[in-house]
Amino acid sequence: QQQVKQSPQSLIVQKGGIPIINCAYENTAFDYFPWYQQFPGKGPALLIAIRPDVSEKKEGRFTISFNKSAKQFSLHIMDSQPGDSATYFCAAGGGATNKLIFGTGTLLAVQP
Amino acid sequence: NAGVTQTPKFRILKIGQSMTLQCTQDMNHNYMYWYRQDPGMGLKLIYYSVGAGITDKGEVPNGYNVSRSTTEDFPLRLELAAPSQTSVYFCASEASGDYGYTFGSGTRLTVV
Repeated sequence: QQQVKQSPQSLIVQKGGIPIINCAYENTAFDYFPWYQQFPGKGPALLIAIRPDVSEKKEGRFTISFNKSAKQFSLHIMDSQPGDSATYFCAAGGGATNKLIFGTGTLLAVQP
Repeated sequence: NAGVTQTPKFRILKIGQSMTLQCTQDMNHNYMYWYRQDPGMGLKLIYYSVGAGITDKGEVPNGYNVSRSTTEDFPLRLELAAPSQTSVYFCASEASGDYGYTFGSGTRLTVV
């Protein structure tokens, strides 16, 4: 019940495309859903996050869509650029603990 | 502001050796975490701390120990290194309850 399932494992898109990364969770006590971006040799960095009281959040070219009834959330990257090539992790937190449970990651490559 | 600083960046250990991975943050964050990252497995929580003098086990604590004598420092100790502990280790911190994790740049450990 503590798992966060992420797909796909890897993704290749052309510049300008819209990659979509999906995550699913089981624990209904989760109330915070962030996405982290990680470049090679660096630690993950918070990209965007959402709480379950809204269905969508946009920050620049990055959008989180949240479906509470399906217990799913996804990251969309509009007008993707080669500089967006990185590993993306979804995560979930909340309930009795402040700990984040991370998905397994998606390696995104945006080709020029 | 340095954020979260991890040392060393790289280390090779022989089986059975011990070492301490250092983590220091200068943001006066109460919460600190140690994660390990393995290919295709995402980030797994090893230990965490909600304040000085308080630590607790995460998902994969076996083979590790931690201490938290000050707010700033959260070292991770490996007593008898095993090949299964070959991984990239990340330390993170956050202010109480906001889930805004700040990660260090990681320590790549190889046990041979």
